[in-house]
Amino acid sequence: AQSVTQLGSHVSVSEGALVLLRCNYSSSVPPYLFWYVQYPNQGLQLLLKYTTGATLVKGINGFEAEFKKSETSFHLTKPSAHMSDAAEYFCAVKGLGSNYKLTFGKGTLLTVNP
Amino acid sequence: NAGVTQTPKFQVLKTGQSMTLQCAQDMNHEYMSWYRQDPGMGLRLIHYSVGAGITDQGEVPNGYNVSRSTTEDFPLRLLSAAPSQTSVYFCATQGTGTKGNTGELFFGEGSRLTVL
Repeated sequence: AQSVTQLGSHVSVSEGALVLLRCNYSSSVPPYLFWYVQYPNQGLQLLLKYTTGATLVKGINGFEAEFKKSETSFHLTKPSAHMSDAAEYFCAVKGLGSNYKLTFGKGTLLTVNP
Repeated sequence: NAGVTQTPKFQVLKTGQSMTLQCAQDMNHEYMSWYRQDPGMGLRLIHYSVGAGITDQGEVPNGYNVSRSTTEDFPLRLLSAAPSQTSVYFCATQGTGTKGNTGELFFGEGSRLTVL
């Protein structure tokens, strides 16, 4: 079985500050890892994903995440927050043996203050 | 290219009523699924399908029914609506492209359901 834990249901940063959203996973097999973003009243869209290869993954809108197997983590970062980054962010994991199913964390709401 | 289309976007029901949430995709994806999103609970899988004629239960299937008669459509039926089914429902698909299946889900815009 696999699970995802997102530390902090709500993170608040100032515009221009570092964004760090934490995600830890458990999986019995090497996972595929994802970050999705949800803007208000919209569906989820893919921000970035790790499947194989380079452990530092770059996504859209200046976000990146690093897969650390030893720490079972996949934290999402952005050097400088923008007002438009305000949204809810979901981490998800897919084990190689689970075919299609993704398991999602409970989400982190990011607020960006002017 | 519409992607994943959900209808209706908003619906209000009375307890005991039945209804169907529609999901259609034009990406020829074999996998289709329904999630519900509730505050503080993240997304929870209701039902999923890996192809026409094949469906299976997810994490929270009670009170919901699905069928998959075509590749394109995956309707979600609420048999007898209850206030606990007030939620935002998302349809999501996944396919195998030229690089294989990397697990990415493609989401519809959601259907917001209120049961009074």
